[in-house]
Amino acid sequence: DTEVTQTPKHLVMGMTNKKSLKCEQHMGHRAMYWYKQKAKKPPELMFVYSYEKLSINESVPSRFSPECPNSSLLNLHLHALQPEDSALYLCASSHQGKRYGYTFGSGTRLTVV
Amino acid sequence: DAKTTQPPSMDCAEGRAANLPCNHSTISGNEYVYWYRQIHSQGPQYIIHGLKNNETNEMASLIITEDRKSSTLILPHATLRDTAVYYCIVRVVATGGTSYGKLTFGQGTILTVHP
Repeated sequence: DTEVTQTPKHLVMGMTNKKSLKCEQHMGHRAMYWYKQKAKKPPELMFVYSYEKLSINESVPSRFSPECPNSSLLNLHLHALQPEDSALYLCASSHQGKRYGYTFGSGTRLTVV
Repeated sequence: DAKTTQPPSMDCAEGRAANLPCNHSTISGNEYVYWYRQIHSQGPQYIIHGLKNNETNEMASLIITEDRKSSTLILPHATLRDTAVYYCIVRVVATGGTSYGKLTFGQGTILTVHP
């Protein structure tokens, strides 16, 4: 298995809703990442997990709450989002070490109404 | 992170080689150069990476200058499916002794392959 699987592919949520994005990989990667991508912009790093522990939070608002329950799974819990949070949310994973590239999922297209 | 500079857009005829340049004049000696591409509405796809030697795989070739201040990604026979945004990234190692690094995307080059 050489893929990162993200679910759901599309999500529409209201500003008072609570929802979660899911990311799964079975490549034995111990680093996992969340990126946010607005239209016509490059992906922006949000969070980095290393060995199931949060290592980097790029000053992301608390309405985004990441969770890494095990080495294969990464969640992003969403609560009280704003319309400007509408974006493509990308998950990626990699082996440790700068010699290794990242494998990205296809993303979840989130719309906040 | 070492900053990269890429042309905002390029065109290429189908079947011809596409040569995508990237400047990274502030690169440090232990930083790798990575290339990714992103086809519309999909996740970025890893293409190739290198430290100082030229590299080739089934997708592309990477030519890094001897001073490592610039590189060129070569798609030898471009097809319509190669139309995408191509990102040149210099990956740094995060502080604190960890080794996973941070992959920071610049604006990239929009490559359009024409029939």
